[in-house]
Amino acid sequence: GDSVTQMEGPVTLSEEAFLTINCTYTATGYPSLFWYVQYPGEGLQLLLKATKADDKGSNKGFEATYRKETTSFHLEKGSVQVSDSAVYFCALYISTGANSKLTFGKGITLSVRP
Amino acid sequence: NAGVMQNPRHLVRRRGQEARLRCSPMKGHSHVYWYRQLPEEGLKFMVYLQKENIIDESGMPKERFSAEFPKEGPSILRIQQVVRGDSAAYFCASSPASGQPQHFGDGTRLSIL
Repeated sequence: GDSVTQMEGPVTLSEEAFLTINCTYTATGYPSLFWYVQYPGEGLQLLLKATKADDKGSNKGFEATYRKETTSFHLEKGSVQVSDSAVYFCALYISTGANSKLTFGKGITLSVRP
Repeated sequence: NAGVMQNPRHLVRRRGQEARLRCSPMKGHSHVYWYRQLPEEGLKFMVYLQKENIIDESGMPKERFSAEFPKEGPSILRIQQVVRGDSAAYFCASSPASGQPQHFGDGTRLSIL
């Protein structure tokens, strides 16, 4: 079945450090890929997405490129801020008729120190 | 422009009681999805509904759990005879159509005593 694997966490960085969060996937078909962010006590917010190979999603300084050859969608940011502290989820979506669900990775907690 | 509204935010039940979780989708959205988040886990899909129809319930436990999305009113996730293992955060998402990005509510955190 479809699955998403995220790197083990948590991750702690100093402000202005470079961030990479790895995500790889297994899917039958051609998924769309997403990164969601969850701030404490809140729901998930869509951070960015890519719908086909080589697409780059970007938002709020975060970027991720859909790499079909490595089945990866790693999240990067050049300079993190304290306000980026949250849980980050990688997810995939394949629409096949009635199947319209998101498949999530386990999430990774990012803490950014001042 | 209200987002996905879930209530209650927190719900405490004793073992054996019933839990009802409500979700009002974003305006203009007719597709609703329920997910469960166990501690230290990602979100797991439970059920996908459109107005008055269950489209995909492949993630729903076979017993005690049910969901509906009536013509009028919010979607309801109902858990009968709750057990400790039902303690989790339950998230609802909505989208205007299949294949469109899903927008999430803030979740209901269910605690079973």
